[in-house]
Amino acid sequence: DIVMTQSPDSLAVSLGERATINCKSSQSIFYSSDNKNYLAWYQQKPGQPPKLLISWASTRESGVPDRFSGSGSGTDFSLTISSLQAEDVAVYYCQQFYSIFPVTFGQGTKLEIK
Amino acid sequence: QVLLVQSGAEVKKPGASVKVSCKASLYSFTTYGITWVRQAPGQGPEWLGWISTYNGNTNYAQKFQGRVTMTTDTSTSTAIMELRRLRSDDTAVYYCARVRVDFDWTPYYFDSWGQGTLVTVSS
Repeated sequence: DIVMTQSPDSLAVSLGERATINCKSSQSIFYSSDNKNYLAWYQQKPGQPPKLLISWASTRESGVPDRFSGSGSGTDFSLTISSLQAEDVAVYYCQQFYSIFPVTFGQGTKLEIK
Repeated sequence: QVLLVQSGAEVKKPGASVKVSCKASLYSFTTYGITWVRQAPGQGPEWLGWISTYNGNTNYAQKFQGRVTMTTDTSTSTAIMELRRLRSDDTAVYYCARVRVDFDWTPYYFDSWGQGTLVTVSS
């Protein structure tokens, strides 16, 4: 199974400041045949299901604010919130879908306001 | 807007079975897959498996092989997940989610989620 490891486990950032969450896969999740990284990012607020933010490592879903961006390739990825808003407090998960059996998630990063 | 509405909370005894349903609406049911993911209290998501709504093909996580069955009823756009021989560590919120697929039904990421169903296993 591909192991996804996020860092840090928790993060406190001031409103308006940048927040960066990292995700590392145990093997490359880049497919050279289609030049894509098979990685998604989800946001989960308390009592809610996860919400897809970003697919293919850097493609923002429709309706997701442009302060959210994804980057990286191969085994190292990042989710950046350029200017933290109060409504961004949540747990964030990365997920690989390169090896779909099984799909695996990172352990999560809890983002709070400093 | 895609809608996935799950059945209500369940309380089961160890050894029993549970069925959770997921009714889809506002999109074409047979053009996306359905996956099931669970989340134990305070834990991250854990993938149980997925089902092709096109032909009913399933793939289950090895951990749940033999205990889980996923089916769909295309006439009602409903997916059902059954988990058998329940244990206390099966206590979790169970989610269905819509799966984006390629033209050949290769599953990708999960773009819409149900509200979740709490399954509690307790004697």
